[in-house]
Amino acid sequence: TQLLEQSPQFLSIQEGENLTVYCNSSSVFSSLQWYRQEPGEGPVLLVTVVTGGEVKKLKRLTFQFGDARKDSSLHITAAQTGDTGLYLCAGARNYGQNFVFGPGTRLSVLP
Amino acid sequence: NAGVTQTPKFQVLKTGQSMTLQCAQDMNHEYMSWYRQDPGMGLRLIHYSVGAGITDQGEVPNGYNVSRSTTEDFPLRLLSAAPSQTSVYFCASSVKATSYNSPLHFGNGTRLTVT
Repeated sequence: TQLLEQSPQFLSIQEGENLTVYCNSSSVFSSLQWYRQEPGEGPVLLVTVVTGGEVKKLKRLTFQFGDARKDSSLHITAAQTGDTGLYLCAGARNYGQNFVFGPGTRLSVLP
Repeated sequence: NAGVTQTPKFQVLKTGQSMTLQCAQDMNHEYMSWYRQDPGMGLRLIHYSVGAGITDQGEVPNGYNVSRSTTEDFPLRLLSAAPSQTSVYFCASSVKATSYNSPLHFGNGTRLTVT
C-alpha cells in the first residue's frame, strides 16, 4: 500500500480546460511538495506547502494543503500543452525524515 | 552550472553482473539520495546520505550498496543484478537533509535493464 495516493492516475484534456489532481493520505505530513517530471528527465520542484489550509499560486497553478495536512490538490487553469507531464506529490511526515513520493498523475494536454 | 549529473544514461546488464551508477553534484549539497522509479509505484528511496562518510538505508535497499567518500559523489553499486532491478534510477540532492524548504534536485536518470 502506498503512503500517498494520487488521483486520477491518468488525465487527458484539451488545451484551455481546467483540471484538478489530488494527493491523499491517512497520515499527517509536516510538509508536502509537488514536482513535475517530463519524459527522459528528473522531477522538478513546483511548490512546497507546510501549513494546514495553505494556498499557493504559481501562475496558472494553484496548490492547496488540506487543513488536517493529510491531503493536497493541484488545480491548473486554462491548461496548455506545456503542462503535459507526470505530477508527483511528496510528503515528509516529520521534520528530518525523508520525503515519500506518490505514484503520480500523468497529464496529457492536447492541442 | 551542471547540477546533478548521472552516468550512464542507459545500461543493459545480464543477471548476476555487477555495476556502479555514478552520481555527482556541484552545488555543495549535504544531502544525496538514490531513488528507483517503476510504473505505478512512484519514486522509492534506496539509500541516502546526510553528509560525507554517512549513509543509511531507505525503503528498498536490498541488492544495492552506496558510499559517500566526498561531498560531491554518491555512487550506487548493484552487487549481482537481478531482473527485478530493471528500473529507472534517479539521484537527488538537497542543501540540507530533508529540510522542508530545501527542494530535491534530481539528475536525469539512468535507465537500467537486466536480462
